[in-house]
Amino acid sequence: GNSVTQMEGPVTLSEEAFLTINCTYTATGYPSLFWYVQYPGEGLQLLLKATKADDKGSNKGFEATYRKETTSFHLEKGSVQVSDSAVYFCALSSQGGSEKLVFGKGTKLTVNP
Amino acid sequence: DVKVTQSSRYLVKRTGEKVFLECVQDMDHENMFWYRQDPGLGLRLIYFSYDVKMKEKGDIPEGYSVSREKKERFSLILESASTNQTSMYLCASGVLDPDTQYFGPGTRLTVL
Repeated sequence: GNSVTQMEGPVTLSEEAFLTINCTYTATGYPSLFWYVQYPGEGLQLLLKATKADDKGSNKGFEATYRKETTSFHLEKGSVQVSDSAVYFCALSSQGGSEKLVFGKGTKLTVNP
Repeated sequence: DVKVTQSSRYLVKRTGEKVFLECVQDMDHENMFWYRQDPGLGLRLIYFSYDVKMKEKGDIPEGYSVSREKKERFSLILESASTNQTSMYLCASGVLDPDTQYFGPGTRLTVL
């Protein structure tokens, strides 16, 4: 079945550090890939998405590239801010009419000033 | 902007009580979902619905039921609450192409 594996957290960085959160997936066909973010006390928000191989999703300085050859969708940001502290979820949606998303377990990021 | 609202942010109930969690979306989305979120387990899908009066089981439906009488409203029902149902409950509505979901703020339910 479809699955998503994220790097275990928590991740603690200093402000302006480089961020990478690894995400790999297992899926049949050609899934769409997503990163969601959950700020403290809130629901999940879509951060970025990519729908086909080699697509790059980007938003708020975050980027992720859909790599079919390595089945990966790693999240990166060049310079994190305290306000980026949140839990990040990688997710996939499989092709073929299923509207269900499969989520990774989430990675908690804390950015210190 | 899409808005998904949930009836309560925090709820405390007693074991054996019947609990209703309400979710309303304002974007005329066909699809609606209920998840629970637990530390170390991430999000797990309880039930989802593709249309009014239509429902399908997710990965962990046991102990829950749902109701969708109107397109904009999707209710999660705990028929007899138990302590192991203490959790954060997240509602989402969504569209196809691709399957983007929009989440409500969540209801933190405590069952004593």
